[in-house]
Amino acid sequence: SYELTQPPSVSVSPGQTARIICSGDALPKQYAYWYQQKPGQAPVLLIYKDSQRPSRIPERFSGSSSGTTVTLTISGVQAEDEAHYYCHSADSSSTYEVFGGGTKLTVL
Amino acid sequence: EVQLLESGGGLVQPGGSLRLSCAVSGFTFSRYAMTWVRQAPGKGLEWVSSIGGSSNNTYYADSVKGRFTISRDNSKNTLYLQMNSLRVEDTAVYYCTPFDVWGRGTLVTVSS
Repeated sequence: SYELTQPPSVSVSPGQTARIICSGDALPKQYAYWYQQKPGQAPVLLIYKDSQRPSRIPERFSGSSSGTTVTLTISGVQAEDEAHYYCHSADSSSTYEVFGGGTKLTVL
Repeated sequence: EVQLLESGGGLVQPGGSLRLSCAVSGFTFSRYAMTWVRQAPGKGLEWVSSIGGSSNNTYYADSVKGRFTISRDNSKNTLYLQMNSLRVEDTAVYYCTPFDVWGRGTLVTVSS
């Protein structure tokens, strides 16, 4: 079965830049999406189609793609950004949707 | 304002059935593919099932194939998930979503 791989955790100091990488064999063919989830809340879409940001999402969140990896970059991290982040995409035949295992971002 | 309101969760014994509903408002429901995603306690997100806007295509995760059935009623702006032969490992919060907006979820607990 198809898998997306993310690091379990990332730590960064306030004001620094956090990068969360997601890897998967079908990512060159399929768009990736990123979500933020805080405890007890539903996920929130941060990035769609690899690098597009919904208007309500702060500009410090950005996405990029290169080969079999996609990256979520959070510039000028704030304490409120501490959360779990999930990447999402589809397999090469668009039959299955898949989520990465999630990355816990800790703001030191 | 876009709203998705899931309902139908609850406590059920292993082998039992539940039907989840998701009432949608604020966008043209029939134009969008819809998806059920679940999250077991303390775990990550897991895709469960998706359906095309006109119900012509349905897709299932291997873990629920043959047990769960996704459907929709575009006249009622409602998405459904019929869950049969429930297992302890199906315990989770179930979200309905077109992916750019999410409901608050409904908790399904499978336990004897």
